[in-house]
Amino acid sequence: QEQLQESGPGLVRPSQTLSLTCTVSGGSISSGDYFWSWIRQSPGKGLEWIGYIYYDGSAYYNPSLKSRVSISVDTSKNQFSLRLNSVTVADTAVYYCARVGKFCGGGDCYTPFDSWGQGTLVTVSS
Amino acid sequence: EIVLTQSPGTLSLSPGERATLSCRASQRMSSSYLAWYQQKPGQAPRLLIYAASTRAPGIPDRFSGSGSGTDFSLTISTLEPEDFSVYYCHQYGDAPRTFGQGTQVEIK
Repeated sequence: QEQLQESGPGLVRPSQTLSLTCTVSGGSISSGDYFWSWIRQSPGKGLEWIGYIYYDGSAYYNPSLKSRVSISVDTSKNQFSLRLNSVTVADTAVYYCARVGKFCGGGDCYTPFDSWGQGTLVTVSS
Repeated sequence: EIVLTQSPGTLSLSPGERATLSCRASQRMSSSYLAWYQQKPGQAPRLLIYAASTRAPGIPDRFSGSGSGTDFSLTISTLEPEDFSVYYCHQYGDAPRTFGQGTQVEIK
């Protein structure tokens, strides 16, 4: 099973852009078998799905963040990235990258998040 | 968006007891799209159950899920010491995907 690892700055100034990268090992994003996602967790809002991306660059976002978020993929590096602009203290959270799993049987496929990175704390503060 | 409400907020039990956790959805949803996760301090969530009642690979059979419509539950038949943690339900059938706020299972 793939392993995922987040990387990026742990401190971002208010109004600036948060940028994180997730490196996938043990499997290839370009296989097209899975979608790849960003999720965050804060004491105030709990777990919040941010968005996900496919190997071809097709991305889908949570409407609550859509105006500020962008997810991109670099198949040559087996990485996908998150950019969240105009951050405020409310964006302080642990950010996880995760794989959208695919469990198929009986003609149906089920797609919970089945593999997660360890998470990285991003603090928004001046 | 589908809002998931978990209850109770905290469940205080002893090892060996049975735990039953509830997750209620704000609108009817297919049981195919309900999952449960376990999260320990400092760790990422771990998938336990998907499609409301199917255990993920490697998950012990003391974990079981059930439910339909708007009411779902996770049962731990006999609590082991390593089971004391926080549990989240998650729906992945309607956009945006959403999570419940969590139930903490603590040692009594």
